[in-house]
Amino acid sequence: DVVMTQTPPSLSVAIGQSVSISCKSSQSLVYSDGKTYLHWLLQSSGRSPKRLIYQVSNLDSGVPDRFSGTGSQKDFTLKISRVEAKDLGVYYCAQTTHFPYTFGAGTKLELK
Amino acid sequence: EVQLVESGGGLVQPGRSMKLSCAASGFTFSNYGMAWVRQAPTKGLEWVATISYDGSSTYYRDSVKGRFTISRDNAKSTLYLQMNSLRSEDTATYYCTSARYGPWGQGVMVTVSS
Repeated sequence: DVVMTQTPPSLSVAIGQSVSISCKSSQSLVYSDGKTYLHWLLQSSGRSPKRLIYQVSNLDSGVPDRFSGTGSQKDFTLKISRVEAKDLGVYYCAQTTHFPYTFGAGTKLELK
Repeated sequence: EVQLVESGGGLVQPGRSMKLSCAASGFTFSNYGMAWVRQAPTKGLEWVATISYDGSSTYYRDSVKGRFTISRDNAKSTLYLQMNSLRSEDTATYYCTSARYGPWGQGVMVTVSS
């Protein structure tokens, strides 16, 4: 199985600060079609997960451009610029390249 | 508006069966692969199963293989998860989502306990 190692497990941030979350996979996430199926999700407290970024760097509709995703092969990063209160929650990276699909353990973003 | 609405959860005894449904609307359901993802209480997300857009291909995590069956009815825009021989470790909130985790449902709780 592809192991997704997400760091840090938690982050304390002040409003307006910028943060980065790392996600490293145990295998390359490049699929046979040349695409990389690495996604970032946010689960706010008590809510369903919501996808923010798909295929490494593509923002989902309605997601502010304060969010950005970068990376390739096995090493990926989510950056949040100018954190707002509505950004708080648990962030997950997820791969849908190799079965069984796997998730990172999550990064909890909290207010300092 | 894209919507996924799960139903069918609840309390079930170990060894028994339960069937979850997910009604989709607001998009062309038959064009998309779909998946079930679960989350045990206070835990992270865990992929359960995926089905192709036409139902011809299905994939499962090892721990549910042979016990769970994912299926779909494109005429009804509905996704299903038949769960047999349930175990306590299957206790979780089950989410319906697209194969690449686009839209998500609100989730349905399944509790396996005697």
